[in-house]
Amino acid sequence: GQSLEQPSEVTAVEGAIVQINCTYQTSGFYGLSWYQQHDGGAPTFLSYNGLDGLEETGRFSSFLSRSDSYGYLLLQELQMKDSASYFCAVRGKTSSNYQLIWGAGTKLIIKP
Amino acid sequence: EAQVTQNPRYLITVTGKKLTVTCSQNMNHEYMSWYRQDPGLGLRQIYYSMNVEVTDKGDVPEGYKVSRKEKRNFPLILESPSPNQTSLYFCASSLGQRGEAFFGQGTRLTVV
Repeated sequence: GQSLEQPSEVTAVEGAIVQINCTYQTSGFYGLSWYQQHDGGAPTFLSYNGLDGLEETGRFSSFLSRSDSYGYLLLQELQMKDSASYFCAVRGKTSSNYQLIWGAGTKLIIKP
Repeated sequence: EAQVTQNPRYLITVTGKKLTVTCSQNMNHEYMSWYRQDPGLGLRQIYYSMNVEVTDKGDVPEGYKVSRKEKRNFPLILESPSPNQTSLYFCASSLGQRGEAFFGQGTRLTVV
């Protein structure tokens, strides 16, 4: 079957750095994406990795190792507004559908 | 402004009463999907559409119908809602199957 594993909850302190890991097992691989979702809101796109290595967008970075079926999202200089759930999603393939397969999400709790 | 618009945002209905959740996007995206989000399960794809008049089942299609008569609209139809369809629903669109997904604001449905 197809699955993604990520921690259910992570706690960090304001100003610190936190890493959210994601391991996946999917049929075909067409990229790993990260989405942020605040309580009551819609998921919003954060980053995408199609190839191995690190992608940096401001305070957020995302890493991918296809040989390890593993990726992570790194959040630096944490701010209270970063408190949200973070989802990894892999673009896999089932018959004709390049489907986004989602992890269950990691709730990030930030303490002052 | 580029956006995906869902209506209604909140809906309480009774078992068996047909309902439609509308979804419209203004980005000329070919690919549109419906997801449901339940606690601890992440997002699960219900149906997707690769273009006008082209739709197919996702992971959890039972009890749902969709149509794609126009490129911008992708309504979700529940012919006979049941309590196990109580959930948070999201419509999403992307430019092609591999693109970043843009989500609507969500519809919180309660079936009693």
